[in-house]
Amino acid sequence: EAQVTQNPRYLITVTGKKLTVTCSQNMNHEYMSWYRQDPGLGLRQIYYSMNVEVTDKGDVPEGYKVSRKEKRNFPLILESPSPNQTSLYFCASSFSPDFYGYTFGSGTRLTVV
Amino acid sequence: GDSVTQMEGPVTLSEEAFLTINCTYTATGYPSLFWYVQYPGEGLQLLLKATKADDKGSNKGFEATYRKETTSFHLEKGSVQVSDSAVYFCALNSNAGNMLTFGGGTRLMVKP
Repeated sequence: EAQVTQNPRYLITVTGKKLTVTCSQNMNHEYMSWYRQDPGLGLRQIYYSMNVEVTDKGDVPEGYKVSRKEKRNFPLILESPSPNQTSLYFCASSFSPDFYGYTFGSGTRLTVV
Repeated sequence: GDSVTQMEGPVTLSEEAFLTINCTYTATGYPSLFWYVQYPGEGLQLLLKATKADDKGSNKGFEATYRKETTSFHLEKGSVQVSDSAVYFCALNSNAGNMLTFGGGTRLMVKP
């Protein structure tokens, strides 16, 4: 089944403890992206990648890192999480966002205490 | 910059009622337009899209027409079902970029 898989689905962590949210897609998509969803703010792009080793900032990149060492994987790294990063995170992938839009994963609900 | 404005919810309808969710946008050039649906506890699913002016996207009884003159992409369905209860997001992609710009979402609740 074609899909974007994120792990974990739920995570509670403490301020300052480094964490990684994994994302993998099995559709051979070149484009991958991370979004966060917050009440009243909709979805905002954190980072995106056009291909292996090619990444760039979205609208809200502060406090996040990404890497794209393989085409299928695009992990999101929070080196020192803070409470304002408590959110619902979505990974997404696409052949061509302008024509196909993005295919989204099921989401990761992160709580930083 | 690009922006998408949706009507605020929640929208509450009875089963078989007609649905309209308004979406207007501001963007450079000729953006592609999308509607996504998010069911409780799930990720976003692409509902329909339109990539040029006057295109009509349709899927599962939902329709939306790309109106360049009014910069709108309103979502419609002739007869909603309880199973349509979800949050609906309008989005755009401009200049063949990498980012989808989303509206704030509209929650639809359909009562039997």
